[in-house]
Amino acid sequence: AQTVTQSQPEMSVQEAETVTLSCTYDTSENNYYLFWYKQPPSRQMILVIRQEAYKQQNATENRFSVNFQKAAKSFSLKISDSQLGDTAMYFCAFMIGGYSGYALNFGKGTSLLVTP
Amino acid sequence: EPEVTQTPSHQVTQMGQEVILRCVPISNHLYFYWYRQILGQKVEFLVSFYNNEISEKSEIFDDQFSVERPDGSNFTLKIRSTKLEDSAMYFCASSVIVIDTQYFGPGTRLTVL
Repeated sequence: AQTVTQSQPEMSVQEAETVTLSCTYDTSENNYYLFWYKQPPSRQMILVIRQEAYKQQNATENRFSVNFQKAAKSFSLKISDSQLGDTAMYFCAFMIGGYSGYALNFGKGTSLLVTP
Repeated sequence: EPEVTQTPSHQVTQMGQEVILRCVPISNHLYFYWYRQILGQKVEFLVSFYNNEISEKSEIFDDQFSVERPDGSNFTLKIRSTKLEDSAMYFCASSVIVIDTQYFGPGTRLTVL
């Protein structure tokens, strides 16, 4: 079974600072995809960033970047220059490539509060 | 930018009633999904749909649930006889191909009384 673990239920960071959200996963598959989704108070799910497991280079998207450690099965999200609008629930999610399933498997989330 | 839309945004129903939640996926996407999120919990997969049939479903997706693509644009989730525990946020998502980013709609909040 594939599992996703987010060990930090809540985090807080000051505006303009950097914060890292952790995520670990467990799978025996070799071909998979990892995602971070953001869920602001409106509860809409918004894609932040994605990483293909076969790519060694860490994905970046403006102020958001990941540290993907395949051997350690770790996929952390770094938010630089935090902004008040980054306040949201952040979910790490995992998808296996291939016939065995198309479902996204989500972690329980980390609630991030950005303070002035 | 194209986006997934869902209606209604909030649905209140009585226990035992049937509800239909509607979604319009992004127009060139071929794979469609329903997820649910009970308040305070993680997002859970319900079902995926491709080429007019279910491709995968979770244990949650029992006989009370069904999905349909009644025309070229809508994708619906029907709950036949709602229970209190069906109260949740229901998200529709779509992707171009199966191994691809899934784009989520804004969700429908279902409240069963």
